[in-house]
Amino acid sequence: SQKIEQNSEALNIQEGKTATLTCNYTNYSPAYLQWYRQDPGRGPVFLLLIRENEKEKRKERLKVTFDTTLKQSLFHITASQPADSATYLCALDTLYSGGGADGLTFGKGTHLIIQP
Amino acid sequence: DGGITQSPKYLFRKEGQNVTLSCEQNLNHDAMYWYRQDPGQGLRLIYYSQIVNDFQKGDIAEGYSVSREKKESFPLTVTSAQKNPTAFYLCASRTGTTMTFDSPLHFGNGTRLTVT
Repeated sequence: SQKIEQNSEALNIQEGKTATLTCNYTNYSPAYLQWYRQDPGRGPVFLLLIRENEKEKRKERLKVTFDTTLKQSLFHITASQPADSATYLCALDTLYSGGGADGLTFGKGTHLIIQP
Repeated sequence: DGGITQSPKYLFRKEGQNVTLSCEQNLNHDAMYWYRQDPGQGLRLIYYSQIVNDFQKGDIAEGYSVSREKKESFPLTVTSAQKNPTAFYLCASRTGTTMTFDSPLHFGNGTRLTVT
């Protein structure tokens, strides 16, 4: 089955710097990969989707890269702000990655803390 | 505003009792999902439904049951057979046609169930 690894330790970044989060996966190469933000006690909120034939995707201060050779996605937040503090989840499709079931497989998430 | 409503936010039950968690969406989405989230764990798929009157087991369906009698509703029953029911339960939906398999998930804000 597909396994996803995200840095489970909290990531502390100084305000204004670029935060970089890593998502590594094993086994099947997904057709696409998604990133979500989750605040405490809330459901995840979709941020960005990148397809296997795309190297990079941007949305305002967010940038996602997808390297199918390394089996890795990087998620960048530039000019980070304390309001960016949250847990960020990486998710891969299951059905089109050989998993057999519909839906997404999620990593455990990385807790990002932006310090003023 | 369109979205997914989960109720209640907090639920307390005695061991041995069945409990039903509500999930309603007004996004006109075909596909709906139930995930479970435990501290330090990723989201795990319990059940999903791609169309009314049809649903499939996810990775951890034992001790749970669902129904999908209406497009907008996908209630989850946690039965007394579920050994560790205390968790944060998240309902999600997305457009479910095969042409949009990469559409993002829209999540509700979860129900925190505590069983003692």
